[in-house]
Amino acid sequence: GIQVEQSPPDLILQEGANSTLRCNFSDSVNNLQWFHQNPWGQLINLFYIPSGTKQNGRLSATTVATERYSLLYISSSQTTDSGVYFCAGRLQGAQKLVFGQGTRLTINP
Amino acid sequence: ETGVTQSPTHLIKTRGQQVTLRCSSQSGHNTVSWYQQALGQGPQFIFQYYREEENGRGNFPPRFSGLQFPNYSSELNVNALELDDSALYLCASSKGSETQYFGPGTRLLVL
Repeated sequence: GIQVEQSPPDLILQEGANSTLRCNFSDSVNNLQWFHQNPWGQLINLFYIPSGTKQNGRLSATTVATERYSLLYISSSQTTDSGVYFCAGRLQGAQKLVFGQGTRLTINP
Repeated sequence: ETGVTQSPTHLIKTRGQQVTLRCSSQSGHNTVSWYQQALGQGPQFIFQYYREEENGRGNFPPRFSGLQFPNYSSELNVNALELDDSALYLCASSKGSETQYFGPGTRLLVL
């Protein structure tokens, strides 16, 4: 099965800073999603981005499918951005999403 | 809000007991996937149901079983509970292989 590696595992920043989270895949995926898990455990969809670049407010994501990686950018971080960010991918024809171990982001006021 | 609901929110069981978790999918979705998330880990795929049939299974023993109903809601059943089954159980609904949307989860503690 595919392996998903996220970096860094932990990131501590001050409010207002920018951050970049990375996700590497061991194989090509045709369904790549980024999630934010809030303190209560809810996984919130951020982006469905098998390739290209998307932006939603202060968040944007870029996937370079040919090089098997994706980046999540958070600009002007707020304390509410704190939590764990997961990327997940699915091989073509497979049913399961394979998740990385997550990046724990802490934004201090 | 994703429109995916799960019940109960929390549950405490003892070793050897059986548990049933429930998931209602988002309107218009015909596929439900279940995941187990241990503390500090990413979610792990248990199985998926599509149109009431199991459509794929992860590396979980047969004591993890499920059902999907005609309205596409789903149940996850776990028999002979073990301490390591303590986790957050997440269900996700989708329209076939499209984007999965997750419910709030059920926290299971096995004592």
